[in-house]
Amino acid sequence: SQQGEEDPQALSIQEGENATMNCSYKTSINNLQWYRQNSGRGLVHLILIRSNEREKHSGRLRVTLDTSKKSSSLLITASRAADTASYFCATVGGGGNKLTFGTGTQLKVEL
Amino acid sequence: SAVISQKPSRDICQRGTSLTIQCQVDSQVTMMFWYRQQPGQSLTLIATANQGSEATYESGFVIDKFPISRPNLTFSTLTVSNMSPEDSSIYLCSAERQGANEQYFGPGTRLTVT
Repeated sequence: SQQGEEDPQALSIQEGENATMNCSYKTSINNLQWYRQNSGRGLVHLILIRSNEREKHSGRLRVTLDTSKKSSSLLITASRAADTASYFCATVGGGGNKLTFGTGTQLKVEL
Repeated sequence: SAVISQKPSRDICQRGTSLTIQCQVDSQVTMMFWYRQQPGQSLTLIATANQGSEATYESGFVIDKFPISRPNLTFSTLTVSNMSPEDSSIYLCSAERQGANEQYFGPGTRLTVT
């Protein structure tokens, strides 16, 4: 399986703190994407980083990519209770559109 | 963006029966995909639904078990055939426009097989 690994599997923080999730993958990629899934819902696309990029920002999100280590991290700054969800990284290999999802991190932000 | 709806949202089915899940996109898209998400786990791609031709299945998934149709650019169906309790999962469809590099997901169909 080419599925990536994410850690931690679960993360509980207080509102206002930062949350960092890590993703490792196994094969070369074209891009890496992060998705959020609220309980019982579909997935929402958060951010995409291409293989030739090292860092990207979108609002309170910061994503880094290290292709030499085959790893990425997602940082959510100043977290809110509404950020409580599962977060998945997903990779796209060369020449295709297929997403290969990581194992996910369950984030809980407490008031 | 694209808005995707799925029907049914959930169902409880008897083993040995089949269920067809519908996926409707509010605008034309190039690619449509079907995923399975078992309880508490990540998503696994079942197949790519190709418009006007047979779907492309991933390793471990076969057409006899998961027949897929895609008659046009906004609609697809996935059938889960001859169901067993191991098929209990959430089934999600997604869509992508050419060059968009982003998939839009439906809300999922929660299937329980008894």
